[in-house]
Amino acid sequence: QQQVKQSPQSLIVQKGGISIINCAYENTAFDYFPWYQQFPGKGPALLIAIRPDVSEKKEGRFTISFNKSAKQFSLHIMDSQPGDSATYFCAASNEGDSSYKLIFGSGTRLLVRP
Amino acid sequence: GAGVSQTPSNKVTEKGKYVELRCDPISGHTALYWYRQSLGQGPEFLIYFQGTGAADDSGLPNDRFFAVRPEGSVSTLKIQRTERGDSAVYLCASSSQAGGYNEQFFGPGTRLTVL
Repeated sequence: QQQVKQSPQSLIVQKGGISIINCAYENTAFDYFPWYQQFPGKGPALLIAIRPDVSEKKEGRFTISFNKSAKQFSLHIMDSQPGDSATYFCAASNEGDSSYKLIFGSGTRLLVRP
Repeated sequence: GAGVSQTPSNKVTEKGKYVELRCDPISGHTALYWYRQSLGQGPEFLIYFQGTGAADDSGLPNDRFFAVRPEGSVSTLKIQRTERGDSAVYLCASSSQAGGYNEQFFGPGTRLTVL
C-alpha cells in the first residue's frame, strides 16, 4: 500500500522558473510532512518541513503548501537554479508512531536547464 | 563526527552469501534508523533503534535481515542468504532524540549488489 503518492516522476524547468512537486497521502494520522533533497551518490537531506496546523511554510526559495482537507501537500521552488537539479522526496510521519519513521513518496527527478 | 558515515560504500556479493553493513551515527544521537532504497524509489523503513534496543523492526522484510546496536552508537545491518532482490542502497539515519520531530540525518548509503 503506497501511503504517499508523489508526482510528477520527472520535471524539467528552465532557470528562473517555478518547480512544483505534488504529494498526496492516505493516512489521516500523519502529522509531519518533510521534503528531502537527494543528489546522486548522497543520502537524502532535509529541505523543509511542515505540520498540518499551518497551510504554508516558506524558507527562502522553497515553499510548502498544505491542504489538510484534500490530504495533499506540494513543494514550490521559486527562481529555480541549475544547482537545484536533484531528486526530491516528500515524506510523512505520525506522532502516534513512537519510532517517527518516515514514509517516503517515490521521488521526483528535477532538471533545471541553464 | 561531522555526519552519519556508512561502510562500505559499495558491496558486491554472490547470492546466498552473508553481508554486514555498518553505520556510524552522529555522535550523541540516540535514535538510529535503517532504510532501504531501491532504484528509482523512495527510501523504505526497515528498523528503528532507540539506544541499544530495536524499538520498531516492522519494516524488516523477513528473518534473513537483522540489525544490532550493542553500545547504543554504531549499528550493523546483517543480511543472511542474500538474494538478488536484496540489491539496493541501504541508508542509515540518526536523530538527536527519540521524541518529537527531530531531523533525521542520512548517511550516503551502502550500495549492495547481489549477483
